[in-house]
Amino acid sequence: SQTIHQWPATLVQPVGSPLSLECTVEGTSNPNLYWYRQAAGRGLQLLFYSVGIGQISSEVPQNLSASRPQDRQFILSSKKLLLSDSGFYLCAWGIYNSPLHFGNGTRLTVT
Amino acid sequence: DQQVKQNSPSLSVQEGRISILNCDYTNSMFDYFLWYKKYPAEGPTFLISISSIKDKNEDGRFTVFLNKSAKHLSLHIVPSQPGDSAVYFCAASSNYGGSQGNLIFGKGTKLSVKP
Repeated sequence: SQTIHQWPATLVQPVGSPLSLECTVEGTSNPNLYWYRQAAGRGLQLLFYSVGIGQISSEVPQNLSASRPQDRQFILSSKKLLLSDSGFYLCAWGIYNSPLHFGNGTRLTVT
Repeated sequence: DQQVKQNSPSLSVQEGRISILNCDYTNSMFDYFLWYKKYPAEGPTFLISISSIKDKNEDGRFTVFLNKSAKHLSLHIVPSQPGDSAVYFCAASSNYGGSQGNLIFGKGTKLSVKP
């Protein structure tokens, strides 16, 4: 069966520090991969998605970037965090004609 | 402007009764709709979906109704159980299956089922 791993579960980082969140998927090949963010009091916002290695689409301009160095690995990064980057970050995977499956998320607090 | 709206941030229901969660959308290009359930400190889990060619989809205690003319969908849970207490997100997509990205989510409705 397919599983998705996302870490860390919680993270507290100072403003201006770098960020790296990692997500890996097991049990499937060539999935579409996604990064979503849920800010306080808001819905889930799509940040990035990838349909293959090295292919990244950005949905909103922001202080973040994403990379997909391997088929089942998706990384969310920032060179310098802002206070507004605080939120709950979710990685998800999907294949054509099926719903998305989410990881357990990372609670990021920028102080 | 929000394309998917869940106007009730919270709902409280007695155990055994029906829970009805509502969702409205504005984009007439949406052709696939999903409900996700989320417990605290966990990612959302897929619950049920419906394509725009149907007006009802049922899975056990969960039924989703779609009214395309009103751009409205609802999730019915019958009978409600305390374990159903969670935040429910409505999502919509203009790509069948919703797996090509751009699932547009509502802000969620927190359901509390009281014993």
